[in-house]
Amino acid sequence: KQEVTQIPAALSVPEGENLVLNCSFTDSAIYNLQWFRQDPGKGLTSLLLIQSSQREQTSGRLNASLDKSSGRSTLYIAASQPGDSATYLCAVRLNTGNQFYFGTGTSLTVIP
Amino acid sequence: NAGVTQTPKFQVLKTGQSMTLQCAQDMNHNSMYWYRQDPGMGLRLIYYSASEGTTDKGEVPNGYNVSRLNKREFSLRLESAAPSQTSVYFCASRGQEQDYGYTFGSGTRLTVV
Repeated sequence: KQEVTQIPAALSVPEGENLVLNCSFTDSAIYNLQWFRQDPGKGLTSLLLIQSSQREQTSGRLNASLDKSSGRSTLYIAASQPGDSATYLCAVRLNTGNQFYFGTGTSLTVIP
Repeated sequence: NAGVTQTPKFQVLKTGQSMTLQCAQDMNHNSMYWYRQDPGMGLRLIYYSASEGTTDKGEVPNGYNVSRLNKREFSLRLESAAPSQTSVYFCASRGQEQDYGYTFGSGTRLTVV
């Protein structure tokens, strides 16, 4: 079974800081990896989907990287804003099967 | 707006009661999923349906049943609710192209007392 770990569980930074969120997984035979954002009491919003053949994906101030061999992905957020405050989840899909395996998330607070 | 719609948003049940959570998507997606989210445990897959007419168990199927009514709708039923089923339930769908990721609904917050 794929185990997905996100460290730290919580992070607090001042506005304007660049930051990195980490995601690690135990089985490197992945098909793709997806980063989500979840606001309190809300559903999950997809941020970036990175295929196993890709090294990184970018959307605005967000950049996700993938290193399959080391079982790691990072989500880089540039020039953080208070509106970025949320829980960030990563999910990994294996080459076999139909489901994604989720980490427990990193709760981010950006202080004005 | 196109997406995944879940009903109800909130529900309180007494132990032993039954209920059905509804999910519908209007994106013509083949695959649909039910997850539960509990503090400190992340999202865990309950059941999924890879296509209309098929369903499969996920990681935590006990106490639940599902129905893929048609391509749009995938329902989750609790036959005899237990306090351990208190959770937030999310429905998700995924397009048939293998490169697609998930689209999630806004969730149903269920409390069993």
